Amino acid sequence: DTAVSQTPKYLVTQMGNDKSIKCEQNLGHDTMYWYKQDSKKFLKIMFSYNNKELIINETVPNRFSPKSPDKAHLNLHINSLELGDSAVYFCASSQNQGNQPQHFGDGTRLSIL
Amino acid sequence: QQQVKQSPQSLIVQKGGISIINCAYENTAFDYFPWYQQFPGKGPALLIAIRPDVSEKKEGRFTISFNKSAKQFSLHIMDSQPGDSATYFCAASVSGGYNKLIFGAGTRLAVHP
Repeated sequence: DTAVSQTPKYLVTQMGNDKSIKCEQNLGHDTMYWYKQDSKKFLKIMFSYNNKELIINETVPNRFSPKSPDKAHLNLHINSLELGDSAVYFCASSQNQGNQPQHFGDGTRLSIL
Repeated sequence: QQQVKQSPQSLIVQKGGISIINCAYENTAFDYFPWYQQFPGKGPALLIAIRPDVSEKKEGRFTISFNKSAKQFSLHIMDSQPGDSATYFCAASVSGGYNKLIFGAGTRLAVHP
């Protein structure tokens, strides 16, 4: 049983296209996150949702729009993809009580041609 | 003030040796300091974490040392094994800050047999 699962694992697309990445967690957590890991492996938070409410929104271009249909799912939609969007995107989840461990998915590698 | 600085960028250790990775922070409001381990093609996974009310925490071969006055903390891996070869990230967050983790830049550890 995969705790945090992301689809697709790989995404190769052309500049200017719109794409979505899906994330689901079966841990019963109430908080989910999106992180971006660049080519130098630097890991930075983008968004966080708690019970479907946006609670962290870092300085991210508004081409990126997260959507949380329920607390077990957090999707990321990206419009008008640019070369600089090439990265590995990680979804994570945790309980929002103090500093609880975050559980990460295995990432979606996005490559923009 | 939000940065967490991590060094070294890469580390090569012989099997059985001690691996030491260091991190420093500026924001004195940080009160939770986890270390994450990431294998190629996988998401980061929590390894060990410490709060500033203790100076050291040990779990098996992994130890965190924490120096509150110097605003530094480090990860020591005793009896390093080839299976420990991975990228290690330190991180920091503030209680009540929506579990927002600020990651260091990562250290790529290679343990040679």
